[in-house]
Amino acid sequence: AQSVTQLGSHVSVSEGALVLLRCNYSSSVPPYLFWYVQYPNQGLQLLLKYTTGATLVKGINGFEAEFKKSETSFHLTKPSAHMSDAAEYFCAVSPNTGGFKTIFGAGTRLFVKA
Amino acid sequence: DAGVIQSPRHEVTEMGQEVTLRCKPISGHDYLFWYRQTMMRGLELLIYFNNNVPIDDSGMPEDRFSAKMPNASFSTLKIQPSEPRDSAVYFCASTPTGRKAPLHFGNGTRLTVT
Repeated sequence: AQSVTQLGSHVSVSEGALVLLRCNYSSSVPPYLFWYVQYPNQGLQLLLKYTTGATLVKGINGFEAEFKKSETSFHLTKPSAHMSDAAEYFCAVSPNTGGFKTIFGAGTRLFVKA
Repeated sequence: DAGVIQSPRHEVTEMGQEVTLRCKPISGHDYLFWYRQTMMRGLELLIYFNNNVPIDDSGMPEDRFSAKMPNASFSTLKIQPSEPRDSAVYFCASTPTGRKAPLHFGNGTRLTVT
């Protein structure tokens, strides 16, 4: 069975500092991987995804993530945090065979200090 | 594109009452998902449909929950009778055919059962 672990339910950074949100997955075969962002009172929006090919993927708002098969990780980074990045971030996995059940991590709330 | 549309945005009801949540997916998307989000359990997949047919309802918590998709542009999630522990934000999401495609979420329905 697939699972997703996000390390740290809360992360706080200063504006302009590096953002690093961690995600590890468990799957018998490499799944498809996604990062979503959720702003208050809204649904989730896609930040970026990895399916195949280049392991470093770039998304919206300056975010990127790197798929590391050996570490079963898909950490999200942004070189310089902006106040508008404050939100909750979810890592998700979708199987590349079988059913369509996308499984979400517990989420990491990002706080950005001025 | 109007995106996934959910109604109502907020629902407050008394224990024992019937609640119906509605969703209009993005036109052309073959898959529709219902998720529930709570602080304690995070995002849980309740059920998903493919071409209007329920494929996996293993996440539906009890027989009090039922979901239908009478046509490609409309789905409902019904709770009867409702209980306080059903209080949560319920999200509908849709995606076109293919596991590599991300989910497109509506803005959710916040349900409060008193």
